[in-house]
Amino acid sequence: DTEVTQTPKHLVMGMTNKKSLKCEQHMGHRAMYWYKQKAKKPPELMFVYSYEKLSINESVPSRFSPECPNSSLLNLHLHALQPEDSALYLCASSQANGGAEAFFGQGTRLTVV
Amino acid sequence: RKEVEQDPGPFNVPEGATVAFNCTYSNSASQSFFWYRQDCRKEPKLLMSVYSSGNEDGRFTAQLNRASQYISLLIRDSKLSDSATYLCVVAPLGTYKYIFGTGTRLKVLA
Repeated sequence: DTEVTQTPKHLVMGMTNKKSLKCEQHMGHRAMYWYKQKAKKPPELMFVYSYEKLSINESVPSRFSPECPNSSLLNLHLHALQPEDSALYLCASSQANGGAEAFFGQGTRLTVV
Repeated sequence: RKEVEQDPGPFNVPEGATVAFNCTYSNSASQSFFWYRQDCRKEPKLLMSVYSSGNEDGRFTAQLNRASQYISLLIRDSKLSDSATYLCVVAPLGTYKYIFGTGTRLKVLA
């Protein structure tokens, strides 16, 4: 089973709202990722968790706050976003040996109004 | 120079054609190489990993040339369903930083 599940699939939020994106995998992967993808661009790495610890933060603004409650779950908490943060947010997971195959969830399409 | 470069295309080819994409990378420490396929408004899906010895999966063949720092993807007997964006992904040894190329758009025409 190479499935990564993300919820919700679509989200519209105002600039003053607080919302969370959720990601779950049951492949036993110990590395989990958040990517942001704008139209006609490749995915851009935001955060990486390895063994439930934050190992990479690609200088992401603090209005994005990741959380890894356990080895299967990854959340992205959103607060005070800007319209330019509208994008497809992708979660991925892989074996935690660096450079392993990564599997992506279907993504959350976020619109900030 | 970008770390991973691809020709953005689009490549418009007739059904049944053979098409090849190349991808060059700049970091010689790169150790893992992948091709992903992404349909419009969908997530990237792993198409195949690329090994030093080259690998084949049905109509798809991937090759790695470390000396010249490029990887290639060959699609034989193109189908309409092959229409998508093909992303080249490179990962340096021991890191979690998968580096994506900008993608090559393929359109297979009936």
